[in-house]
Amino acid sequence: GQQLNQSPQSMFIQEGEDVSMNCTSSSIFNTWLWYKQDPGEGPVLLIALYKAGELTSNGRLTAQFGITRKDSFLNISASIPSDVGIYFCAGPTVSGGSNYKLTFGKGTLLTVNP
Amino acid sequence: DTEVTQTPKHLVMGMTNKKSLKCEQHMGHRAMYWYKQKAKKPPELMFVYSYEKLSINESVPSRFSPECPNSSLLNLHLHALQPEDSALYLCASSHTKGDEQYFGPGTRLTVT
Repeated sequence: GQQLNQSPQSMFIQEGEDVSMNCTSSSIFNTWLWYKQDPGEGPVLLIALYKAGELTSNGRLTAQFGITRKDSFLNISASIPSDVGIYFCAGPTVSGGSNYKLTFGKGTLLTVNP
Repeated sequence: DTEVTQTPKHLVMGMTNKKSLKCEQHMGHRAMYWYKQKAKKPPELMFVYSYEKLSINESVPSRFSPECPNSSLLNLHLHALQPEDSALYLCASSHTKGDEQYFGPGTRLTVT
């Protein structure tokens, strides 16, 4: 099936620094989703991207849908301690005809040192 | 409102117990999902319901039995679980299949 390669696996940064992470695939995606998960909680949808080349912001977060439709980037500016968590990229893929399921990247674990 | 609720928050059960996890959404979504998640791994899909009908079963063992009583509710019935079934169980919903999914806070399940 389709796979998403997410990098980096983990990041250790100082408060105030900018962060960038990305997801790539060998297959085309029509939608890219970025989620953040805090320990013991469910993933929270941060940004959804629907068009190739689209650049969307949500506060200090900015995500882009790659022109080739095979990649996406998430940037966090001026990081703060509450940005700590695991960030997942995801995209819907067709499964068995008309069914869809989300394919997830393996996640980027972000640690912010105050 | 993009809220999906799940109960209970935590559950400890023995291998011979029968328990149920519950999920509810009032966003008018017609697709609902169960996922299993182990620590520091992405969620793994278990079941998909679309318009209250089971549309995907990812070869989940029969000791997990899903139920969708109506368009707002999703249950996961558990029976004779194994310790390796201990995990965070997540419910999600979306407007229809293929749309962005909204997750609940999860149920932390421990099987002893």
